[in-house]
Amino acid sequence: DGGITQSPKYLFRKEGQNVTLSCEQNLNHDAMYWYRQDPGQGLRLIYYSQIVNDFQKGDIAEGYSVSREKKESFPLTVTSAQKNPTAFYLCASSRSGSYGYTFGSGTRLTVV
Amino acid sequence: AQSVSQHNHHVILSEAASLELGCNYSYGGTVNLFWYVQYPGQHLQLLLKYFSGDPLVKGIKGFEAEFIKSKFSFNLRKPSVQWSDTAEYFCAVSIRGATNKLIFGTGTLLAVQP
Repeated sequence: DGGITQSPKYLFRKEGQNVTLSCEQNLNHDAMYWYRQDPGQGLRLIYYSQIVNDFQKGDIAEGYSVSREKKESFPLTVTSAQKNPTAFYLCASSRSGSYGYTFGSGTRLTVV
Repeated sequence: AQSVSQHNHHVILSEAASLELGCNYSYGGTVNLFWYVQYPGQHLQLLLKYFSGDPLVKGIKGFEAEFIKSKFSFNLRKPSVQWSDTAEYFCAVSIRGATNKLIFGTGTLLAVQP
């Protein structure tokens, strides 16, 4: 089945460590997105990429980094510079020119 | 900057009650509008969307929404809710002709009591 796979589902990180969240899609979608979901704040856009080897900052990019070396993959690194990284992270993708998103099942990151 | 407001953060209804969730956006140009739903432990799913044409759009599971351009609103409605509608609902907007990126509201948590 086509879809988006996010891994791991749960992730624990010690303060000061970088951690990378995986997002893979087999939908042949051009665009991919990372959102952060916090209770009462909805989904906020971290980074997005419309084509391979290109990406743009969203509204809350500070403390995060991404890469888009392959169309299928859009990993998100949460760096030690992110002050409050504990959250639920959602990856999504869409076809170019289409406004319909497909979402992954999310990764819950907890800093301990 | 564009923004989306959802005024009801937490709604509690009894089964068979009618539902209306408010959504307003701030952008003067042409927009695409969406409602997404997140059932407990599940992915975000698209309920319905509006791009153009009839401002009253129907979605899955008996939901509908009305786009009122003069009020910058896109309220979600359902005449009779069921316990299985318990979920979090998100309104979202994208700007026509720009990138595909969606701007989400803060969400409304709906609890339906049997």
